[in-house]
Amino acid sequence: QTVVTQEPSFSVSPGGTVTLTCGLSSGSVSTTYYPSWYQQTPGQAPRTLIYNTNTRSSGVPDRFSGSILGNKAALTITGAQADDESDYYCVLYMGSGISMFGGGTKLTVL
Amino acid sequence: EVQLVESGGGLVQPGGSLRLSCAASGFTFNNFAMSWVRQAPGKGLEWVSGIFGGGGSTYYADSMKGRFTISRDNSRNMVYLQMNSLRTEDTAVYYCAKFCCGAAAIRGLDYWGQGTLVTVSS
Repeated sequence: QTVVTQEPSFSVSPGGTVTLTCGLSSGSVSTTYYPSWYQQTPGQAPRTLIYNTNTRSSGVPDRFSGSILGNKAALTITGAQADDESDYYCVLYMGSGISMFGGGTKLTVL
Repeated sequence: EVQLVESGGGLVQPGGSLRLSCAASGFTFNNFAMSWVRQAPGKGLEWVSGIFGGGGSTYYADSMKGRFTISRDNSRNMVYLQMNSLRTEDTAVYYCAKFCCGAAAIRGLDYWGQGTLVTVSS
């Protein structure tokens, strides 16, 4: 069974830029998977950052951007801030009404 | 302002049943597909189920198929998740979420509720 893959952890310096990726255990991610990205801090509900590859959700600053890089979906955060320290999840639409989450990336800002 | 408020969580014994509810407001409810997502303690997010705006089409993750049923009442702006034959591994916070992009666009979530905790234990 196909698995959605994400880096388990990543770190970035304050003010720096980081790119998190979302891939498939078999195959390439394209816009037809409608990748979306979510941010979650402990004890809180998820917050939508990006959907349909690169559409920012309401109220999300333009420091967050989505794209396809090579064979993966990507979330780029520029000018990282302390409160960007969170778990980040991607979702891919697998077709036939089914969506699948990646395992999440724990981002540390230090 | 879009609001999604879940209710119905609680403690249930293995093999039991529970129905979760989600009250939606702040948008034209029947114009958007809806979803349930869950998160087991200390684990990642897991997509559970989705339903078209008209309610005529429903979709489930493999591990929930046959045990869970999603439904909606567009006259009351409510979406439900009926959970049967519950297992200890179904213990999780269950989130109601709205799909972004239309009644039959069952991809891309844009708004989330705060979640309701379901604990399956004897």
